[in-house]
Amino acid sequence: GQQVMQIPQYQHVQEGEDFTTYCNSSTTLSNIQWYKQRPGGHPVFLIQLVKSGEVKKQKRLTFQFGEAKKNSSLHITATQTTDVGTYFCAGLKAAGNKLTFGGGTRVLVKP
Amino acid sequence: DAGVIQSPRHEVTEMGQEVTLRCKPISGHNSLFWYRQTMMRGLELLIYFNNNVPIDDSGMPEDRFSAKMPNASFSTLKIQPSEPRDSAVYFCASTLTELGELFFGEGSRLTVL
Repeated sequence: GQQVMQIPQYQHVQEGEDFTTYCNSSTTLSNIQWYKQRPGGHPVFLIQLVKSGEVKKQKRLTFQFGEAKKNSSLHITATQTTDVGTYFCAGLKAAGNKLTFGGGTRVLVKP
Repeated sequence: DAGVIQSPRHEVTEMGQEVTLRCKPISGHNSLFWYRQTMMRGLELLIYFNNNVPIDDSGMPEDRFSAKMPNASFSTLKIQPSEPRDSAVYFCASTLTELGELFFGEGSRLTVL
């Protein structure tokens, strides 16, 4: 079945630094979504990417969908303590009808 | 809008007892999803409904788990009998369209002793 892998599983970041988390699918995706879950909270939708090579920005967050539509990345610049949480990607297989979540990247920020 | 509402928020029960988790989706949303989250297995889709009809229940672990959606504003996930390995956070989510953005509830944290 479809697998969605995220790396790294854990990311320790110094406040103010940048980092990137990656999402890789075993199959071609029709779209990919990203969610953020704060500690003790629930996943909250961040963004959806649909087009091959698409890049979208939300303030300090930059999301990219790969040309082959099998991978995606989330880049955060100038990390802040408010960025703490687990970031999940979720892929919808081409011609599929349900999202498959990656294992998440848990981000810890050192002040 | 109040968002997706789940109850109970926390439940502690003993092995063998029946557990019923409840979910009220966002009004007007046509699809409802039940997820289970554990450290070991991450977020797993258990079952989802579209227009109150179960579409895919392939993620339901075994016959001890059942889910219903009697109307557009209410769904239940039942575990009978419960086992310690069922301990997890169970999330309900709804979407306006089947493939759209998921709106998650705050979750029900289940502990089976």
